Amino acid sequence: QITLRESGPTLVKPTQTLTVTCNFSGFSLDTGGVGVGWIRQPPGKAPEWLALIYWDDDKRLNPSLENRLSVSKDTSKNQVVLMMTNMDPVDTATYYCAHRSHVWGTYHYFDHWGQGVLVTVSS
Amino acid sequence: DFQMTQSPSSLSASLGDRVTITCQASQDITIYLNWYQQKPGNPPRLLIYDASNLELGVPSRFSGSGSGTVFTFTISSLQPEDIATYYCLQYDVLPYSFGQGTKLDLK
Repeated sequence: QITLRESGPTLVKPTQTLTVTCNFSGFSLDTGGVGVGWIRQPPGKAPEWLALIYWDDDKRLNPSLENRLSVSKDTSKNQVVLMMTNMDPVDTATYYCAHRSHVWGTYHYFDHWGQGVLVTVSS
Repeated sequence: DFQMTQSPSSLSASLGDRVTITCQASQDITIYLNWYQQKPGNPPRLLIYDASNLELGVPSRFSGSGSGTVFTFTISSLQPEDIATYYCLQYDVLPYSFGQGTKLDLK
């Protein structure tokens, strides 16, 4: 059974750096084809894809935010970390991590999600 | 720039109705499209992957079709528990992108 859980601050000040951790179980990030993605969703709006880190440490970042984003993994801890610098009130959103895999020629993008953490950016 | 257009943005329907939502991509994304259901306070739930494949455990009244640039999501007979917001997600072109959402409510 695949589960993911995000943890991090619920309130950050403008210009601060946000660090959100995704702890997962039921899969391993050293298995070929596996990845963990990050998606955020501002209140009342559609989700926005942020980043994806793969089993081989390859990374994809949303170009609109890539100068502010970094993503890393610790396979031994079953953990992925998202960092976003220079936070602004428009970055207020629920931040989710989600599972991705590639099995028997079929891609499974974001089939399992964590419950998310609502991050408010305010002074 | 790649665009993903979902329509309608809102929809009112009666129980038992057939409901259809569309996502249109600005370029060919083959079949790399998911459909999600989201209820307030919950993360999106995957219903359909690769445009037309039903995720395990999802009721068969949900279906998806299409390839290339035009995709359709259908609920064959609307049930009370289907009241939610629905999103498409394309995962062929970076950056991956979601549709704007369709809020479904009861007429």
